[in-house]
Amino acid sequence: DTEVTQTPKHLVMGMTNKKSLKCEQHMGHRAMYWYKQKAKKPPELMFVYSYEKLSINESVPSRFSPECPNSSLLNLHLHALQPEDSALYLCASSRNSIGNTEAFFGQGTRLTVV
Amino acid sequence: GQNIDQPTEMTATEGAIVQINCTYQTSGFNGLFWYQQHAGEAPTFLSYNVLDGLEEKGRFSSFLSRSKGYSYLLLKELQMKDSASYLCAVRDNTDKLIFGTGTRLQVFP
Repeated sequence: DTEVTQTPKHLVMGMTNKKSLKCEQHMGHRAMYWYKQKAKKPPELMFVYSYEKLSINESVPSRFSPECPNSSLLNLHLHALQPEDSALYLCASSRNSIGNTEAFFGQGTRLTVV
Repeated sequence: GQNIDQPTEMTATEGAIVQINCTYQTSGFNGLFWYQQHAGEAPTFLSYNVLDGLEEKGRFSSFLSRSKGYSYLLLKELQMKDSASYLCAVRDNTDKLIFGTGTRLQVFP
């Protein structure tokens, strides 16, 4: 199983809504990532979890709140988002967070904020 | 700051060879990855370099020069399905995997 599964695939939410994106992997990977990708741009790193602890927060606004309940799951809680937050949100995992460990990506959640 | 630069767009003909360059300046270096991303899909891993030199994998090869902060991805015998974005990514000396600006490659018949 080399899959990273993200749900939902598409999400439309209002600026006052609270929603969550979910990511799951069963490869035994101990590093998990959230990336944001706008159209025709490369993925931008948001958060890194290493051994279930938040190790990197790339100065992401607090309306995005990550959570790692266990080594297989990664959530991204969304609250009071802005229309400019509309993007593809990609989750990735790797065996660990150093060296020769390629990241496997999920198919992403396409988020539209209205 | 961290900079990873690639040409924005490239075009090539089916059956030809194309070289996509990547230059980087990062806080430390723990390896360079190349990913392919078709429109609307997730990035998929192509290759990894951590030592200087050429790594070959079928129609795809990747080269690294750490002293020059430079890598390239070489695609041979181009096929229409190779039309995609190609992303260079560097793992720095923290936990970050940072992506370059990406190159959109269009292959014409």
